[in-house]
Amino acid sequence: EAGVTQFPSHSVIEKGQTVTLRCDPISGHDNLYWYRRVMGKEIKFLLHFVKESKQDESGMPNNRFLAERTGGTYSTLKVQPAELEDSGVYFCASSQDVTGTRYTFGSGTRLTVV
Amino acid sequence: GNSVTQMEGPVTLSEEAFLTINCTYTATGYPSLFWYVQYPGEGLQLLLKATKADDKGSNKGFEATYRKETTSFHLEKGSVQVSDSAVYFCALVVTGGGNKLTFGTGTQLKVEL
Repeated sequence: EAGVTQFPSHSVIEKGQTVTLRCDPISGHDNLYWYRRVMGKEIKFLLHFVKESKQDESGMPNNRFLAERTGGTYSTLKVQPAELEDSGVYFCASSQDVTGTRYTFGSGTRLTVV
Repeated sequence: GNSVTQMEGPVTLSEEAFLTINCTYTATGYPSLFWYVQYPGEGLQLLLKATKADDKGSNKGFEATYRKETTSFHLEKGSVQVSDSAVYFCALVVTGGGNKLTFGTGTQLKVEL
């Protein structure tokens, strides 16, 4: 089966610009998660979709971040306007398992804000 | 809340050396424990997991034992290879707590010839 696909793999933008990251989960996986690793620090949870609904968005850092999952398929994460501290690697994961022990991660999008 | 503490890196070893990366955790509830690995240029991959106390997860020569009494899940490998060079993340999830993973900061391992 195809894995979790993220694109772009890299993005370099200027402070104040807008960037949209995309994640295509494994087909049929209802659960979709976004995580972020800021340079050298731990990977932190951002939010969790179940189908098209936001189950938990407690990790979203501020209202400059907007995540959507229209139709319960792919998801986008928009950062507008981007700030320097938004730089990092953004990971997407999907799962069909309700125990949380069977995630599949994408290869991540490395975002650099200059 | 939940947290994971793992040893600071980078760790540099010679090929065939013994590897230990320490990981301890705190959790509200009964966690499942994981080690994820990120090879250069690739995404996160599950390396091994353990879902209850005294379970041993193993894969590719790596092992970790779920120790509830010491709240630890240390990663070990008896003989590392250059191809093991990567960043290793310890993580936990508490089922029913939204199933979101809590990660440590990652430990970079570099294995040299």
